[in-house]
Amino acid sequence: EAQVTQNPRYLITVTGKKLTVTCSQNMNHEYMSWYRQDPGLGLRQIYYSMNVEVTDKGDVPEGYKVSRKEKRNFPLILESPSPNQTSLYFCASSPTGQRTIDTQYFGPGTRLTVL
Amino acid sequence: GEDVEQSLFLSVREGDSSVINCTYTDSSSTYLYWYKQEPGAGLQLLTYIFSNMDMKQDQRLTVLLNKKDKHLSLRIADTQTGDSAIYFCAESRSNTDKLIFGTGTRLQVFP
Repeated sequence: EAQVTQNPRYLITVTGKKLTVTCSQNMNHEYMSWYRQDPGLGLRQIYYSMNVEVTDKGDVPEGYKVSRKEKRNFPLILESPSPNQTSLYFCASSPTGQRTIDTQYFGPGTRLTVL
Repeated sequence: GEDVEQSLFLSVREGDSSVINCTYTDSSSTYLYWYKQEPGAGLQLLTYIFSNMDMKQDQRLTVLLNKKDKHLSLRIADTQTGDSAIYFCAESRSNTDKLIFGTGTRLQVFP
């Protein structure tokens, strides 16, 4: 089944404790992206990647890191989480990232709480 | 600016039509999208419209685009309880890889 998976689905952590949220897709998509969803703000893009070893900042990259060492995986790293990073996080992928033709497939979301 | 705005809530009776509205500010938008988010799930693309189109119909869904007013709407005919969800509009622009999302409209369908 074609899908985007994220782990963990729920995470409660404390300020300053490094964490990684994994994202994996099995559709051989080139483009992957991370969003955070906050009430009243919709979805905001954190980072995106057009292909392996190519990553770019989105609208709200501060406090986050990503890596794209292989096509299927795009982990989101919080080196020193803070309470303002409490949010619902979505990973998405699409075949090429070209908006004119692509559909983005979204993962189920990871709800992160930073105390 | 990059704002894409939607009203936060909409409540309709089962069987009625729902109209969810969205306004955007950037005239360079190329594609406009509607996504549906059911409780506890990710976003699912419902439909999209190219910026040179005025209307697109897909079964119970009708998308209307008024490019002059930068207004996009999604009409759901014969709304069902399974349509209860958050609906996001989003725009993409020809000069960027970004997808700009609206704030989302929570649609509640009551019997």
